[in-house]
Amino acid sequence: GAGVSQTPSNKVTEKGKYVELRCDPISGHTALYWYRQSLGQGPEFLIYFQGTGAADDSGLPNDRFFAVRPEGSVSTLKIQRTERGDSAVYLCASSSQGGTEAFFGQGTRLTVV
Amino acid sequence: AQSVTQLGSHVSVSEGALVLLRCNYSSSVPPYLFWYVQYPNQGLQLLLKYTTGATLVKGINGFEAEFKKSETSFHLTKPSAHMSDAAEYFCAVSDGSNDYKLSFGAGTTVTVRA
Repeated sequence: GAGVSQTPSNKVTEKGKYVELRCDPISGHTALYWYRQSLGQGPEFLIYFQGTGAADDSGLPNDRFFAVRPEGSVSTLKIQRTERGDSAVYLCASSSQGGTEAFFGQGTRLTVV
Repeated sequence: AQSVTQLGSHVSVSEGALVLLRCNYSSSVPPYLFWYVQYPNQGLQLLLKYTTGATLVKGINGFEAEFKKSETSFHLTKPSAHMSDAAEYFCAVSDGSNDYKLSFGAGTTVTVRA
């Protein structure tokens, strides 16, 4: 596609439920990033993939959060036992090897009720 | 570790007036510095970035920023505001080991008065 695509654009879930958020990066981009943006704050780094492997997951807040990128393209961010504090906009970005910038998707707004 | 402080969560300017958005950073290594813009219902878009070399960086839409190491600052300016500049602006820093593992500031919302 022309840009980074994230689905769904909005997700409302009940506390305790499991959710999956999907990111389709720009074709050919080897690097993929997940960020979380809480209300009134800047994005916070969660995890970085280079190809299929998670090269840096130091930003994941706890073990309820997990992300995969099995074929080195699409990535899924998975959140177990969701809590109200997980409500935020989850952003995905991708960049090419040696690229000059990372391109961001429009985000998935997650609301936990 | 890196961090960014953006002074002023909201800035209001008149159309045609100077836009000045302040950003100060903290970094233990030579930083890479970025400004992103976020229009309503859109993703973050890179305005400009500083990595090495010339400290005055020009970006898209007439924006520029100057890296001042002695002041640990990377303020964003535009000489003449347009209505289309109304958006949220984020300053970010990386340590250069991974260009896009970014630490963002809290953002500054710009409104432009006719």
